[in-house]
Amino acid sequence: GAVVSQHPSWVICKSGTSVKIECRSLDFQATTMFWYRQFPKKSLMLMATSNEGSKATYEQGVEKDKFLINHASLTLSTLTVTSAHPEDSSFYICSARVGGRGYEQYFGPGTRLTVT
Amino acid sequence: QKEVEQDPGPLSVPEGAIVSLNCTYSNSAFQYFMWYRQYSRKGPELLMYTYSSGNKEDGRFTAQVDKSSKYISLFIRDSQPSDSATYLCAMSAYTGTASKLTFGTGTRLQVTL
Repeated sequence: GAVVSQHPSWVICKSGTSVKIECRSLDFQATTMFWYRQFPKKSLMLMATSNEGSKATYEQGVEKDKFLINHASLTLSTLTVTSAHPEDSSFYICSARVGGRGYEQYFGPGTRLTVT
Repeated sequence: QKEVEQDPGPLSVPEGAIVSLNCTYSNSAFQYFMWYRQYSRKGPELLMYTYSSGNKEDGRFTAQVDKSSKYISLFIRDSQPSDSATYLCAMSAYTGTASKLTFGTGTRLQVTL
């Protein structure tokens, strides 16, 4: 149980274009989902927290107009990187909390974004 | 000072050894403690989850929390080469539905044959 999927697992895009990453909870309802960014050999950096049906809460220093987050249903959240630049290249990971239970988060497998 | 301190390693042990991984923290409001295992280029996988102080055992893994010392540990018995990964401690205070996790930097473990 508590499986989270991400799609795509790897994407290459050209500078200036936008790319959307999907995060789905497969066997549970996720009232809260989180988006992280991870640089090589570094720990996870929280970008934003999203609750189903409401606007995401972004961490300090994260541009909300650049990283658009939508949590349209209890099983799906999307992260759209707009007007991508090479410095946006990174490993993006989502996680989800099981609604009404505990504080542990279940992570997706991650999406590797390369901006050329 | 970081809220959560974790030795980055790398820690190299022979197969079959007992591994001890540790984190210290400074925020006394933390009540929920987790250990995650992350393989290279993969998302973290939840290994253990404990609330407040005490021990929890699951197979070869034992998690310990000592809130008085602000110290948590993960023990791995009979370590296997497949245990080679980065281990992240994470913790959370109760702040409602949007509670965030605060992570350690991760300890890289290498189990050798």
